[in-house]
Amino acid sequence: SQKIEQNSEALNIQEGKTATLTCNYTNYSPAYLQWYRQDPGRGPVFLLLIRENEKEKRKERLKVTFDTTLKQSLFHITASQPADSATYLCAPTSGRYSTLTFGKGTMLLVSP
Amino acid sequence: DAGVTQSPTHLIKTRGQHVTLRCSPISGHKSVSWYQQVLGQGPQFIFQYYEKEERGRGNFPDRFSARQFPNYSSELNVNALLLGDSALYLCASSNSGTSVRTGELFFGEGSRLTVL
Repeated sequence: SQKIEQNSEALNIQEGKTATLTCNYTNYSPAYLQWYRQDPGRGPVFLLLIRENEKEKRKERLKVTFDTTLKQSLFHITASQPADSATYLCAPTSGRYSTLTFGKGTMLLVSP
Repeated sequence: DAGVTQSPTHLIKTRGQHVTLRCSPISGHKSVSWYQQVLGQGPQFIFQYYEKEERGRGNFPDRFSARQFPNYSSELNVNALLLGDSALYLCASSNSGTSVRTGELFFGEGSRLTVL
């Protein structure tokens, strides 16, 4: 069955450093992969979408890579800030419709 | 512009009861999806509707049902509530019914259901 794995433990980093979050998937070949941010008690907010033919995508301090051979996506936040503290969800997607399968998410804690 | 709105924001029910959750998508969005998020887990897909037709159903029992109205708003109904139904129920809208190529889902803030 399809499986999505994200770092289960919280990632603690110091302000200004680069945070790197990992998303691994097995048993399917997604055409797209999305990353969302979720703050406690709130709905997820879309950050980036990367297609299978794109190796890397950037948006401001965010960078996402997508390696279909390794079946892995890396999500980087450069110059991290305490306001970046949240849970980050990945959603590899192969379906035709807007039905996303999410990983459990990784909690990022950025300390001043 | 208003985002996706959901009601109620919080509710408490007892086992065996029925619940109806409501969602209004972003203006112009024709697709609505429902997700269940249990504490510590990622959102899990329940239903997707586009133009009032069901386009997808996740692995949930028949106690869960939904519908979409002509104004594209949607309801999620859960019958015979179980303790395990306690979760954050998220509604998401998008401007594409047939593909995620154009991008993201826009989520509401969710309805927090507690079943006692």
